Amino acid sequence: DAGITQSPRHKVTETGTPVTLRCHQTENHRYMYWYRQDPGHGLRLIHYSYGVKDTDKGEVSDGYSVSRSKTEDFLLTLESATSSQTSVYFCAISRGGGDYNEQFFGPGTRLTVL
Amino acid sequence: GQQVMQIPQYQHVQEGEDFTTYCNSSTTLSNIQWYKQRPGGHPVFLIQLVKSGEVKKQKRLTFQFGEAKKNSSLHITATQTTDVGTYFCPGGGAGNNRKLIWGLGTSLAVNP
Repeated sequence: DAGITQSPRHKVTETGTPVTLRCHQTENHRYMYWYRQDPGHGLRLIHYSYGVKDTDKGEVSDGYSVSRSKTEDFLLTLESATSSQTSVYFCAISRGGGDYNEQFFGPGTRLTVL
Repeated sequence: GQQVMQIPQYQHVQEGEDFTTYCNSSTTLSNIQWYKQRPGGHPVFLIQLVKSGEVKKQKRLTFQFGEAKKNSSLHITATQTTDVGTYFCPGGGAGNNRKLIWGLGTSLAVNP
């Protein structure tokens, strides 16, 4: 799966605490993405990155920030976790060129905010 | 904004029956991709279609991209229990094909 790992795989936290999720890739692909997946909503893009220190917002970015200081790592931070951020979070990378931009996903992080 | 709609949302079939899911976009797409997600798993890339009217096959799976590049279909012949999962058809918006527009997917259950 394109050498993508996510950590932690499971986390339970309390409302109001900051949380950072890490996505790590081993193949130096330029594009990286953070999604959340909830029943009835499918996959929704939170933020994405098109290079080191180059990031942009997705459709559900409120309450989230990201950083990419190295090609291989893309961090997602919940600044002050809320129960509505309980979800499964997927990181993805895109390694296609030109018209081919298939995405490859990490195993996901299941986050529960109490 | 751009949307991708998939129908049906759920489908139950008997093993051996055929299955088809359809995707419709509100806008013209630069490409469309298909992914499969097994229960408890992550989405796995199946195929990408780029050309108008394109048809591609993978064993029992047939993928089509519409002539207007606004719709697509996935047909599975003689379903097996290994086909269980949710199928997604995110599309690439024209001019910005690095971001995909995801629908809700079609969940397929196969009764043995």
